[in-house]
Amino acid sequence: DQQVKQNSPSLSVQEGRISILNCDYTNSMFDYFLWYKKYPAEGPTFLISISSIKDKNEDGRFTVFLNKSAKHLSLHIVPSQPGDSAVYFCAASAGGTYKYIFGTGTRLKVLA
Amino acid sequence: GAGVSQSPSNKVTEKGKDVELRCDPISGHTALYWYRQSLGQGLEFLIYFQGNSAPDKSGLPSDRFSAERTGGSVSTLTIQRTQQEDSAVYLCASSPSVGWSRNEQFFGPGTRLTVL
Repeated sequence: DQQVKQNSPSLSVQEGRISILNCDYTNSMFDYFLWYKKYPAEGPTFLISISSIKDKNEDGRFTVFLNKSAKHLSLHIVPSQPGDSAVYFCAASAGGTYKYIFGTGTRLKVLA
Repeated sequence: GAGVSQSPSNKVTEKGKDVELRCDPISGHTALYWYRQSLGQGLEFLIYFQGNSAPDKSGLPSDRFSAERTGGSVSTLTIQRTQQEDSAVYLCASSPSVGWSRNEQFFGPGTRLTVL
């Protein structure tokens, strides 16, 4: 049972445009969400997080939106840059636990 | 080094052999995690260590898998009698303390295990 789903395995976007990466979850107990970026042959690196008490969190070009009623979150990258090309994972945890459930990732390709 | 390191970076083994994967967390980080990423899958939680507490082993897929953390620092993940389905990238991560556990984890580059 995949509790965190990233239904788009890949996405291509033109440089300068907006990239929108989506993530859906099924467990209503999840209350903390993170996005990680992963380059080939490297471990994932933390990008941005959001708590369920918020519906938006912004950090520079990166914004995460949370829609609790739809159990959906999205990561917006504006403007997209070629260096953003990577695999993006969303992850969720519940009740302050240390266990994170990760999605399968979306490979973003930003075209110059 | 400043980051989490893992060794070896690649390991090819024959079915039935035992393997040991090593993780050196960031100095001072008390929490350590092991994950596995199989082809086309997300990161699968395996085990969690926090300080001197008993580890959470609930993610280990079978009793062929074990892990230890010596002196609260270096960790070793051992897979006995490897099977082809064990082929995956094994990732280690550390974080500063329980209070930080809901925040970022710092990942190592992973060990790619291939079981022939």
